Amino acid sequence: DAKTTQPPSMDCAEGRAANLPCNHSTISGNEYVYWYRQIHSQGPQYIIHGLKNNETNEMASLIITEDRKSSTLILPHATLRDTAVYYCIAHNNNDMRFGAGTRLTVKP
Amino acid sequence: DTGVSQNPRHKITKRGQNVTFRCDPISEHNRLYWYRQTLGQGPEFLTYFQNEAQLEKSRLLSDRFSAERPKGSFSTLEIQRTEQGDSAMYLCASSLTQGVTEAFFGQGTRLTVV
Repeated sequence: DAKTTQPPSMDCAEGRAANLPCNHSTISGNEYVYWYRQIHSQGPQYIIHGLKNNETNEMASLIITEDRKSSTLILPHATLRDTAVYYCIAHNNNDMRFGAGTRLTVKP
Repeated sequence: DTGVSQNPRHKITKRGQNVTFRCDPISEHNRLYWYRQTLGQGPEFLTYFQNEAQLEKSRLLSDRFSAERPKGSFSTLEIQRTEQGDSAMYLCASSLTQGVTEAFFGQGTRLTVV
């Protein structure tokens, strides 16, 4: 799996968009970008994934740069319940390795 | 509940004892992962199975650790001669193999070695 780099922490105001960056400059052509989040004391939860096109689902949007070396997860209207650690992973459906993630704190 | 189930949820054991954790994946999922997570860290990959075959093991999985998935359904993770450094949350996840799909995680087993 390609190594990913994320900022250790970010803050966001409630109701505003949260934009979480991820660098995966060594990603290979067959590796997808996945995002998971982990709320305290729970197992990680899948959010979204993509290969090279931008993706959107009911939880978030994923923007992948044209060169695929970085991506941004967007939570369009962050709520207090979105406070969690967000993990960006690049993998090709084999082993799945997590980094330290970004701790997002949504503030009222 | 058709999610990933892990038992027990909590385990306290004395140093030197053996412990075994169980993971029941989502029924049609043929891939199963084990992770270890300590406070403030992301989940660390331990091993994964494709059906009953163990395809990869991390260097973190020392000789004291063994994982099995004998019939390609539930899996067990055993730790022998536990040490205080084994205290962590042990997470299990499962997924399909066909296509590109997400993994579903259990709630984990929290191990405390005293």
